[in-house]
Amino acid sequence: DGGITQSPKYLFRKEGQNVTLSCEQNLNHDAMYWYRQDPGQGLRLIYYSQIVNDFQKGDIAEGYSVSREKKESFPLTVTSAQKNPTAFYLCASRKGLQFETNEKLFFGSGTQLSVL
Amino acid sequence: QKEVEQDPGPLSVPEGAIVSLNCTYSNSAFQYFMWYRQYSRKGPELLMYTYSSGNKEDGRFTAQVDKSSKYISLFIRDSQPSDSATYLCAMSAGSGGSNYKLTFGKGTLLTVNP
Repeated sequence: DGGITQSPKYLFRKEGQNVTLSCEQNLNHDAMYWYRQDPGQGLRLIYYSQIVNDFQKGDIAEGYSVSREKKESFPLTVTSAQKNPTAFYLCASRKGLQFETNEKLFFGSGTQLSVL
Repeated sequence: QKEVEQDPGPLSVPEGAIVSLNCTYSNSAFQYFMWYRQYSRKGPELLMYTYSSGNKEDGRFTAQVDKSSKYISLFIRDSQPSDSATYLCAMSAGSGGSNYKLTFGKGTLLTVNP
């Protein structure tokens, strides 16, 4: 089945530790996104990528890093500089970057990151 | 003022009720309006997509956009317990704007009681 796979489902981070969240899609989508969701909050954009080897900062990129070495993969690293990392992280993908068409934005099932 | 305002609820209704969910926004550049449904600890899924003002119907769901009032609504008819979820509105600007980006509301938690 085509879709987006995020792993792990739950992740715990120790103080000062970097952790990496995996996101893989087999939909042949060009655009990929990372969102953060806090309780009672909407989704906030961390990073997005339109093409391999290119990515752009979203609204809350500080303390995060990404890479896009392959079209199907867009891992997110939560660095020790992110002082409040506890949140639900969602990866998404879409055929194109622009929202002028009704192409769906497909979401993965999310990773819950907590601080030990 | 936040770009998108959405009452977080929670909203509790009996099965069969008509549900009205709403968002207001401040950015007049928004032209593309969406509603997503998110079950607990799952990724959101697209329910409705509307361009500019007007109504769109899909089964039990109707989306309305009033750009003059900067107000969008989602109506659910004959609500079912399976509709219990968080509903998120989302918007994007048109050409020349930041139309790579979706701006989300906080979401409204809906419970439909059998």
